[in-house]
Amino acid sequence: DQQVKQNSPSLSVQEGRISILNCDYTNSMFDYFLWYKKYPAEGPTFLISISSIKDKNEDGRFTVFLNKSAKHLSLHIVPSQPGDSAVYFCAASSGTYKYIFGTGTRLKVLA
Amino acid sequence: GAGVSQTPSNKVTEKGKYVELRCDPISGHTALYWYRQSLGQGPEFLIYFQGTGAADDSGLPNDRFFAVRPEGSVSTLKIQRTERGDSAVYLCASSPTVREEAFFGQGTRLTVV
Repeated sequence: DQQVKQNSPSLSVQEGRISILNCDYTNSMFDYFLWYKKYPAEGPTFLISISSIKDKNEDGRFTVFLNKSAKHLSLHIVPSQPGDSAVYFCAASSGTYKYIFGTGTRLKVLA
Repeated sequence: GAGVSQTPSNKVTEKGKYVELRCDPISGHTALYWYRQSLGQGPEFLIYFQGTGAADDSGLPNDRFFAVRPEGSVSTLKIQRTERGDSAVYLCASSPTVREEAFFGQGTRLTVV
């Protein structure tokens, strides 16, 4: 049973445009959400997080939106750059250290 | 070093053999985690250490898997009688405290042939 789902395995976006990566979850006890970025042959790198008491968190070109009623979060990258091409994982936890990861979305930013 | 270091980067072993995977966390980080990532999947939690003790090993798939962190720093994940299904990338992560974001190492790619 996949508690965190990333239904789009891949996404292609033109450089300079907005990238929107989506994530759905089923466990209403999740209270902390994170996005990680992963390049080939490297470990995941933390990108941005959001607590369930917020509905938006912004850090430079990256913004995460949380819709608790829909159990949905999204990562917006604007403007997208070729260096953003990577696999993006969303992860969630419920008051603990244990992250539940989605299966990832491969983003390709076209120059 | 500045980041989480894992050795070896790659390990190929024969079915039935014993392997050890090492993780050097970021200095001063008390929380340490092991995750496993299979092809096409996201990382899956294996075990969490707070200091020297395994606070949660509920993600270990069976008793062939064991991990230690004897001095509260370096950790070793040990797999006995390896099976082909154990092939995956084993990721280690650490964080300053338990609820802060975890920093991951580059992983050890284990291939059991």
